[in-house]
Amino acid sequence: AQKVTQAQTEISVVEKEDVTLDCVYETRDTTYYLFWYKQPPSGELVFLIRRNSFDEQNEISGRYSWNFQKSTSSFNFTITASQVVDSAVYFCALFNAGGTSYGKLTFGQGTILTVHP
Amino acid sequence: DGGITQSPKYLFRKEGQNVTLSCEQNLNHDAMYWYRQDPGQGLRLIYYSQIVNDFQKGDIAEGYSVSREKKESFPLTVTSAQKNPTAFYLCASTGPGQFDTQYFGPGTRLTVL
Repeated sequence: AQKVTQAQTEISVVEKEDVTLDCVYETRDTTYYLFWYKQPPSGELVFLIRRNSFDEQNEISGRYSWNFQKSTSSFNFTITASQVVDSAVYFCALFNAGGTSYGKLTFGQGTILTVHP
Repeated sequence: DGGITQSPKYLFRKEGQNVTLSCEQNLNHDAMYWYRQDPGQGLRLIYYSQIVNDFQKGDIAEGYSVSREKKESFPLTVTSAQKNPTAFYLCASTGPGQFDTQYFGPGTRLTVL
């Protein structure tokens, strides 16, 4: 069975602070994909990043960076110099390539990030 | 512009009524999905469809039905058998392969009165 845990239910920071959102996953498959999505107050899920299990390189995109560590089954997301527009719910998700459900994503519970001015 | 549209944005239903949520995509994606989101929770899969005229149950299919008569469209019907239908419903699509990223529509918020 696969599982995604986002232990931080809510995080509150002041603008310009750095913040890290944790994601821990469980899977028995060796081939899988990890995702981060952002859900602003409007409700739509916005795709941020996708990583496959064979690529452990960290990635940076502007103020966003992701740290993928297979040894600890973690895929953490850091926002540097946070801004009010970063306020949203952030979801980590897992897709098992060897699973029986076509394209099924397993989502974590989400982390509510509030950035105060 | 390519994308996924869902309508309506807000929907109110009386108990005992069936209601259909619309999902349309012009991304030429093969697979489409319906998720349900409850407050403070992640998304749960209701139904998915890999190709036209074929669909599969997800984790919480009871009380829901779908059809896939066209590649672009994947409507979801919430039936009166669904005991707790008030939720936020999100449609997604992906393609051409199942390993591709899922992209989501803006969602429909259903409230049962």
